[in-house]
Amino acid sequence: KAGVTQTPRYLIKTRGQQVTLSCSPISGHRSVSWYQQTPGQGLQFLFEYFSETQRNKGNFPGRFSGRQFSNSRSEMNVSTLELGDSALYLCASRPDRATYEQYFGPGTRLTVT
Amino acid sequence: QKEVEQDPGPLSVPEGAIVSLNCTYSNSAFQYFMWYRQYSRKGPELLMYTYSSGNKEDGRFTAQVDKSSKYISLFIRDSQPSDSATYLCAPGGFSGGYNKLIFGAGTRLAVHP
Repeated sequence: KAGVTQTPRYLIKTRGQQVTLSCSPISGHRSVSWYQQTPGQGLQFLFEYFSETQRNKGNFPGRFSGRQFSNSRSEMNVSTLELGDSALYLCASRPDRATYEQYFGPGTRLTVT
Repeated sequence: QKEVEQDPGPLSVPEGAIVSLNCTYSNSAFQYFMWYRQYSRKGPELLMYTYSSGNKEDGRFTAQVDKSSKYISLFIRDSQPSDSATYLCAPGGFSGGYNKLIFGAGTRLAVHP
């Protein structure tokens, strides 16, 4: 089975812009979670989507949003980018919400200048 | 107090050494315990997981959980340079209506020939 894929892998944006990141889960996986990873804060949970509905949300401002499509693919959007949004954004999938194991993609490295 | 405490290292050992990586956690609701390995510029890779106290072995890797003291460990026997990576512990459980996975800060391991 192919793993979790994320596009793009690298992105450079300027402050104030917005960005959309994409994630394709492992085939058959219906739950997709997004995480932000920074050297200072580590891996922090952003939100989880299942059946096209956001099920959980971490402690991030409303500038961070996401959605999931009927084929389980997911996108996350960050509006009005700030320098502090520079991070590795990781997507993880699992078959359903009852399964504990999550499988991560390679991440999108976002740099905000 | 953080829910999961993990010494960030770095930990430097010679090839062939036994490595011990440790985490403590505070939430007694955590029921399952994951270890992820993350190579530089890659996404975390699920290494091992266990749902109960005791030991679980997989090749050179042994995961150990002591729920009474809220202490989790990963042992690597006969460490190899290819084991050089960041190791993230991630306890989790059903809390607040959803399956919650909390990541430690990660311990950076370097195995030198």
